[in-house]
Amino acid sequence: DSGVTQTPKHLITATGQRVTLRCSPRSGDLSVYWYQQSLDQGLQFLIQYYNGEERAKGNILERFSAQQFPDLHSELNLSSLELGDSALYFCASSPGAGNTIYFGEGSWLTVV
Amino acid sequence: EDKVVQSPLSLVVHEGDTVTLNCSYEVTNFRSLLWYKQEKKAPTFLFMLTSSGIEKKSGRLSSILDKKELSSILNITATQTGDSAIYLCAVDRGSTLGRLYFGRGTQLTVWP
Repeated sequence: DSGVTQTPKHLITATGQRVTLRCSPRSGDLSVYWYQQSLDQGLQFLIQYYNGEERAKGNILERFSAQQFPDLHSELNLSSLELGDSALYFCASSPGAGNTIYFGEGSWLTVV
Repeated sequence: EDKVVQSPLSLVVHEGDTVTLNCSYEVTNFRSLLWYKQEKKAPTFLFMLTSSGIEKKSGRLSSILDKKELSSILNITATQTGDSAIYLCAVDRGSTLGRLYFGRGTQLTVWP
């Protein structure tokens, strides 16, 4: 158990809908990262927050947004869902730059 | 463009064999290289290699960083069926606050 908690574990939703994925980082970790893993793309970095502020953006679509709250938990919002958004979404956390990043179990999203 | 390339993509061996997984990288401001093992869901941390720690060992697993060749290898000796997993290599660039650039992974299958 990495200490990073993600909910829900699985969800199935229809195209055009909106979902929210939630992540609680390891105790004491200020950085939260979101990654997307699909069969054909591997692990793709989406976005990073550090102590409530956005620090880096990767290949995140405009339909997706994220935030980190004062208690350091984070949410990834996915809207206007398309079939191609089906993937495993990982949250990871670390104390900060230069430290090992630990991954949660992921949230399986299936868009039908 | 930053790149992390792993080879082979897939490997099938019998229990007891020794395997070597490769990772090469082209990134600016290299800080560290990390190896993760992904079985069913969450990638779990194995090793971090930096300029000050270019060789790591844990049980049957060991890893070496070659900064001159911009590459790393992960060795697994006396493989067991429990070693079957995807092994991911990731690079941390010093300028990107802990964001990891992942390779596509090597799928290792160990037959009994």
